Amino acid sequence: EPEVTQTPSHQVTQMGQEVILRCVPISNHLYFYWYRQILGQKVEFLVSFYNNEISEKSEIFDDQFSVERPDGSNFTLKIRSTKLEDSAMYFCASSEGLQGVSGANVLTFGAGSRLTVL
Amino acid sequence: GQNIDQPTEMTATEGAIVQINCTYQTSGFNGLFWYQQHAGEAPTFLSYNVLDGLEEKGRFSSFLSRSKGYSYLLLKELQMKDSASYLCAVSDSNYQLIWGAGTKLIIKP
Repeated sequence: EPEVTQTPSHQVTQMGQEVILRCVPISNHLYFYWYRQILGQKVEFLVSFYNNEISEKSEIFDDQFSVERPDGSNFTLKIRSTKLEDSAMYFCASSEGLQGVSGANVLTFGAGSRLTVL
Repeated sequence: GQNIDQPTEMTATEGAIVQINCTYQTSGFNGLFWYQQHAGEAPTFLSYNVLDGLEEKGRFSSFLSRSKGYSYLLLKELQMKDSASYLCAVSDSNYQLIWGAGTKLIIKP
């Protein structure tokens, strides 16, 4: 079964350092997402990406965050200068279409990258 | 504002039936999703409702009432492996998923 792969599975960094989280979405999917989940809290939307540009972003996704699709397969999330409150599990997800358009267009999530900022 | 409400935690017994409720207030509605999330893992899709009524899928069923802004997930013949968080999410007018905080389901033998 096709899957979304994420690397690294766990990263520990010092406050103020740059972090890049990597994702390989499912190959025939067109929509890519980053979500985060602080331990014990709800899943929070960060950004969606379609047709090589950001389609939606949340208030969380400020100037410290950026996304890129550098080649035909990778989708990256960069945090320029990490803060303690960026410690969370970051999930990449992809889907064939928008959720609720022509059926479910289910989100498939990767296993996540746990970021710990010290 | 947009809001999804679910109970924080529920406990049930192995072999029993449990119903997890979700109420929502969103700008627009393009379907309601239920995802299962085991501790430390990614959410996985369980069900999708866009029309009123019951959708059955094996031991799991999901119900929707759009007029009441209400859904429930029904789990039958509970197994220990069903211990997980169950996330309710609504697709709004922009096809953006609005997530509930999740209901942690604890199954006891």
